[in-house]
Amino acid sequence: GQSLEQPSEVTAVEGAIVQINCTYQTSGFYGLSWYQQHDGGAPTFLSYNALDGLEETGRFSSFLSRSDSYGYLLLQELQMKDSASYFCAVRGPDQTGANNLFFGTGTRLTVIP
Amino acid sequence: DAGVTQSPTHLIKTRGQQVTLRCSPKSGHDTVSWYQQALGQGPQFIFQYYEEEERQRGNFPDRFSGHQFPNYSSELNVNALLLGDSALYLCASSLGLAGGYEQYFGPGTRLTVT
Repeated sequence: GQSLEQPSEVTAVEGAIVQINCTYQTSGFYGLSWYQQHDGGAPTFLSYNALDGLEETGRFSSFLSRSDSYGYLLLQELQMKDSASYFCAVRGPDQTGANNLFFGTGTRLTVIP
Repeated sequence: DAGVTQSPTHLIKTRGQQVTLRCSPKSGHDTVSWYQQALGQGPQFIFQYYEEEERQRGNFPDRFSGHQFPNYSSELNVNALLLGDSALYLCASSLGLAGGYEQYFGPGTRLTVT
């Protein structure tokens, strides 16, 4: 089967840096995606790592270590609008053989002034 | 550039009834996936449609069925509704089966079963 673990809540100060960790267990693995979801909104794609290393997109960076089954999302220069839930999602076959995204339970980030 | 649209926005049904939810993918996308998101949880994959065929299916009962039309739009049908089916139903589109890591989500349909 597949399982992902993320912290349930994180609080950080505006302008600071925050790291959201994700560890996964999966029988098959193609890559790790990150999505942001504001309350009442739809998940929006942030980044994808298929290979080990760091991917940078503006204030957001994502890291993957396949050997450690671990990844993280790094948010720099935090802004109030970054307050949202962040989901890591594994792309790979699940127990039914479905090759799609399997989401974690999400990390609720609260940015305070 | 039209994004993913879903209808209706909200829906209230009674236990045992049937419901149909609709989705139009982002312009240029040909693959549609459906997810169920319970409150405080991550989206759970229901199934994926490509070339008008169900290509992948998650761990959901046969009460959940779908369809994709030639214009790539899709429907999700749920029969014999249970209270536990109350959730936000999200449609996501992508380009081809290989583009599944980057999916564009619609605003969702909030289904309440009473």
